[in-house]
Amino acid sequence: EIVLTQSPDFQSVTPKEKVTITCRASQSIGSSLHWYQQKPDQSPKLLIKYASQSFSGVPSRFSGSGSGTDFTLTINSLEAEDAATYYCHQSSSLPQTFGQGTKLEIK
Amino acid sequence: QVQLQESGPGLVKPSETLSLTCTVSGGSISSYYWSWIRQPPGKGLEWIGYIYYSGSTNYNPSLKSRVTISVDTSKNQFSLKLSSVTAADTAVYYCARLAAAGIPPGHWGQGTLVTVSS
Repeated sequence: EIVLTQSPDFQSVTPKEKVTITCRASQSIGSSLHWYQQKPDQSPKLLIKYASQSFSGVPSRFSGSGSGTDFTLTINSLEAEDAATYYCHQSSSLPQTFGQGTKLEIK
Repeated sequence: QVQLQESGPGLVKPSETLSLTCTVSGGSISSYYWSWIRQPPGKGLEWIGYIYYSGSTNYNPSLKSRVTISVDTSKNQFSLKLSSVTAADTAVYYCARLAAAGIPPGHWGQGTLVTVSS
């Protein structure tokens, strides 16, 4: 099973700041890494698929990069509505697995 | 716009079988993969498995001995059964749609909380 480790677990940031969340895979997964945003009491929403492809309707301030074992989600010019928990997810091999999540708090 | 809605008992007794149904509206269940994912309260996401509309399945090995996912194309529904449940199976259960086996789910249901307790 591929283990995904996100860092940090928690981050407190101010609006308009740039945020970077990383996800490291325990073995190479090519570009089969995806990012979700989950707000309290809501289902996860797909932001980025295959490391860097934006999902339909996602604001342009969200971007992704990386390949192999190291991946990054970047949020440019953070907005208050971006307060949420962010998860990475790999679909390279079964079982599909998720990172433990990164909680983003807006100051 | 496709919509997914989970339904089923919110409380299940230990050792019994958890049964949930996901009803798909606004689109056909055919030609897609359909997945179940769960999230224990306050914790992260766990992939349970998925089914193709034709009936082929893939399950998480950690749950494989207890899980069955099935599809009913005539009702535009798919279902989850998890047997011999314990408190560790208490979670919000989500159904989701995948365009293909390795593609991440872009459409999710709102989730339903299932509590395992006597």
